[in-house]
Amino acid sequence: QVQLQESGPGLVKPSQTLSLTCTVSGASISSGSFYWTWIRQPAGKGLEWIGRIYTSGRTNYKSSLKSRVTISVDTSKNQFSLNLSSVTAADTAVYFCAREDWGADPPNFDCWGQGTLVTVSS
Amino acid sequence: DIQMTQSPFSLSASVGDRVTITCRASQSISRDLNWYQQKPGKAPKLLIYGASSLQSGVPSRFSGSGSGTDFTLTISSLQPEDFATYYCQQSYSTPRTFGQGTRVEIK
Repeated sequence: QVQLQESGPGLVKPSQTLSLTCTVSGASISSGSFYWTWIRQPAGKGLEWIGRIYTSGRTNYKSSLKSRVTISVDTSKNQFSLNLSSVTAADTAVYFCAREDWGADPPNFDCWGQGTLVTVSS
Repeated sequence: DIQMTQSPFSLSASVGDRVTITCRASQSISRDLNWYQQKPGKAPKLLIYGASSLQSGVPSRFSGSGSGTDFTLTISSLQPEDFATYYCQQSYSTPRTFGQGTRVEIK
């Protein structure tokens, strides 16, 4: 059974870079037809797709975040990561990593990490 | 970006009630529509994909319908464990987008 687990600092100062890692267990991150995705949710609000990566390194980002976001993959560690630069309080949220099965019809998020709260504050 | 709009924002219902949630896309998305259930402090869970296909392990009281721009999620007989927030999500194009959520509360 595939499991995803987010890790990283829970507190980031304004203007700094938020860095999170998602560790995939139970299967190789390189196998299958999956996009590895980051999604966030501010407290009491809805879900916002940030971006995704395929194990080839191909990425897609939400346009409003594109200038600040980098998603990368380390297949040797079975991990993928999120970097979000120049953070403000508006970036405070629970961050989820998720697997999008693009081989499904239609693609869907069939596996999620538990989420990790990141607070931006000085 | 495709906007997804759910209604209602929240609803109160009793155990055993039939509940219907609506999701509307800002443009046609064929049947590329998924539904998720989220309980407090937990990650969303996939319920329905492709507008009407039940994810493995999801109870049959959940059903979905629709195509194009209008979709519905129906819970035929609400159970105590169904009190949660429900989100629709389109997979027609990138960026993936979600509805704002519908909170189902106990009456």
